[in-house]
Amino acid sequence: GDSVTQMEGPVTLSEEAFLTINCTYTATGYPSLFWYVQYPGEGLQLLLKATKADDKGSNKGFEATYRKETTSFHLEKGSVQVSDSAVYFCALSGGTNAGKSTFGDGTTLTVKP
Amino acid sequence: DVKVTQSSRYLVKRTGEKVFLECVQDMDHENMFWYRQDPGLGLRLIYFSYDVKMKEKGDIPEGYSVSREKKERFSLILESASTNQTSMYLCASSLSVAGLNNEQFFGPGTRLTVL
Repeated sequence: GDSVTQMEGPVTLSEEAFLTINCTYTATGYPSLFWYVQYPGEGLQLLLKATKADDKGSNKGFEATYRKETTSFHLEKGSVQVSDSAVYFCALSGGTNAGKSTFGDGTTLTVKP
Repeated sequence: DVKVTQSSRYLVKRTGEKVFLECVQDMDHENMFWYRQDPGLGLRLIYFSYDVKMKEKGDIPEGYSVSREKKERFSLILESASTNQTSMYLCASSLSVAGLNNEQFFGPGTRLTVL
């Protein structure tokens, strides 16, 4: 079946540091890939997505590129802020289980001033 | 903007009580989902529904049931609440369009405590 493996946390960075959160996946077919973010006390919200190989999703300074050859979708940001502190989830949709999504376990990011 | 609302943000119930968690979405989405979120376990799918009166079991359906009588509303039912059902419950919805793999839109969550 489908699976998503993301970098274990927690991750603690200083403000303005570079962020990478690794995500790799296993799926059949041609899934779409997503990053969701969950701020404290809230539900998940879509951060960015990519629907086909070599697509780059971007939003709020975050980027991720759909790499089919390495089955990866790593999240990056050049300069993090305190307000980026949250839990980040990598996910895929459209693999084996049509209509459902498969989520990674989440990576907690804390950014210190 | 898509809005997914959940009936309560916080809920405290006693062991053995019947518990209803309600979820409503306002964007005419076909698919609706119930997850529970626990520390260290990520998101686990309890049930999902791809149409009115249709439901499918997810990864952890034991102890839960669901109801979808109207397209916009998806209810999660704990027939007899137990302490191991203390958790954060998240509802989500998504469009169902052939050939597209769509993102899910989440509600704010209900933190349920069973005493």
